[in-house]
Amino acid sequence: DADVTQTPRNRITKTGKRIMLECSQTKGHDRMYWYRQDPGLGLRLIYYSFDVKDINKGEISDGYSVSRQAQAKFSLSLESAIPNQTALYFCATSDRSPTSGRLGEQFFGPGTRLTVL
Amino acid sequence: GQSLEQPSEVTAVEGAIVQINCTYQTSGFYGLSWYQQHDGGAPTFLSYNGLDGLEETGRFSSFLSRSDSYGYLLLQELQMKDSASYFCAAGSARQLTFGSGTQLTVLP
Repeated sequence: DADVTQTPRNRITKTGKRIMLECSQTKGHDRMYWYRQDPGLGLRLIYYSFDVKDINKGEISDGYSVSRQAQAKFSLSLESAIPNQTALYFCATSDRSPTSGRLGEQFFGPGTRLTVL
Repeated sequence: GQSLEQPSEVTAVEGAIVQINCTYQTSGFYGLSWYQQHDGGAPTFLSYNGLDGLEETGRFSSFLSRSDSYGYLLLQELQMKDSASYFCAAGSARQLTFGSGTQLTVLP
């Protein structure tokens, strides 16, 4: 089974609809992240969470909200979807330990392709 | 914040060596990571440099110079399967900031 899973994998919705993207992980990591990727652009950070009670805004949080329901689950919501939120969304996790020597290593889910019409 | 620059495209032939450069402007910089992403797939971690110098992992090597705010990814003995996008990412204590990616095309 995959360590980081995302549902749904594809979603088409209409402007103004509320959408929730879900992420689950079995890696036991404390840190979880939501990114969006647009064609020709890198990954941009939307929100990140270091534990259930620690939620932080990233570079592009406007129009999005998140919920960390448990260590293993981190959901991203679009309260009222708009066409320029059409993108590929990735969830990622990382280990908190700075001594792991792999500070820069994040584990990504397979992505959710969202289209807002 | 962080900003990173890397070339948008690189083309090379099978068996060759290619270098993808990355320059960064940062605050709170910890280290530089590299990720590979095949068409629409999940990014996968390749390497991390927390200290100056070269890190080698099989056919891939990565280099960091903190004084020059510069790093590179070196891919040797290129294979067709190496055709993908490659992202550098600057790490702080709390997050990664990704470059826009370099599309590598390997020709037969």
